[in-house]
Amino acid sequence: SQTIHQWPATLVQPVGSPLSLECTVEGTSNPNLYWYRQAAGRGLQLLFYSVGIGQISSEVPQNLSASRPQDRQFILSSKKLLLSDSGFYLCAWSRPTGIAEAFFGQGTRLTVV
Amino acid sequence: TQLLEQSPQFLSIQEGENLTVYCNSSSVFSSLQWYRQEPGEGPVLLVTVVTGGEVKKLKRLTFQFGDARKDSSLHITAAQPGDTGLYLCAGERHSGYALNFGKGTSLLVTP
Repeated sequence: SQTIHQWPATLVQPVGSPLSLECTVEGTSNPNLYWYRQAAGRGLQLLFYSVGIGQISSEVPQNLSASRPQDRQFILSSKKLLLSDSGFYLCAWSRPTGIAEAFFGQGTRLTVV
Repeated sequence: TQLLEQSPQFLSIQEGENLTVYCNSSSVFSSLQWYRQEPGEGPVLLVTVVTGGEVKKLKRLTFQFGDARKDSSLHITAAQPGDTGLYLCAGERHSGYALNFGKGTSLLVTP
């Protein structure tokens, strides 16, 4: 069966510090991978998605970047965090073909102080 | 621009009541999913609908996809406190494109 791991679960970082959130998927090959951000119990904003190693599409220009160094690894980064980067970050995967049903990790609650 | 509009945004009902939440768009989707999310956790997939007019039932939950594949509804019969959560719809416009999510309906069912 497929599983997705996302860490850390919570993170408190000072303004201007770097960020690295990691997500890995097990039990599937060549998944589509996604990073979403969610504001206070509301809808999901797509930040990045990837259909393969090294292939990253950015949906919203911002202070963040994403990388996919391995087939089942997706990393969200920032060189200098802003207060506005606070939020709930979710990683998800979907099958490379067929219906794009998303399966989510547990999320990371990021607070920038 | 929000591709998918969900209504109502918030809903507070008592145990045993019925409710319907809606997901509407001006765009056509090849598939549409409903997810439920509890606080501090990731959304969990409930159902996927792909055919216009399709109706799917999951215990007390009934999902319908509009004939034109632009909208969907979720009906809950005899709601229970365990149904409390954020209900999100998401649509796939074209194969290979990322899902677009609505802002969700926050449901509270009180005993």
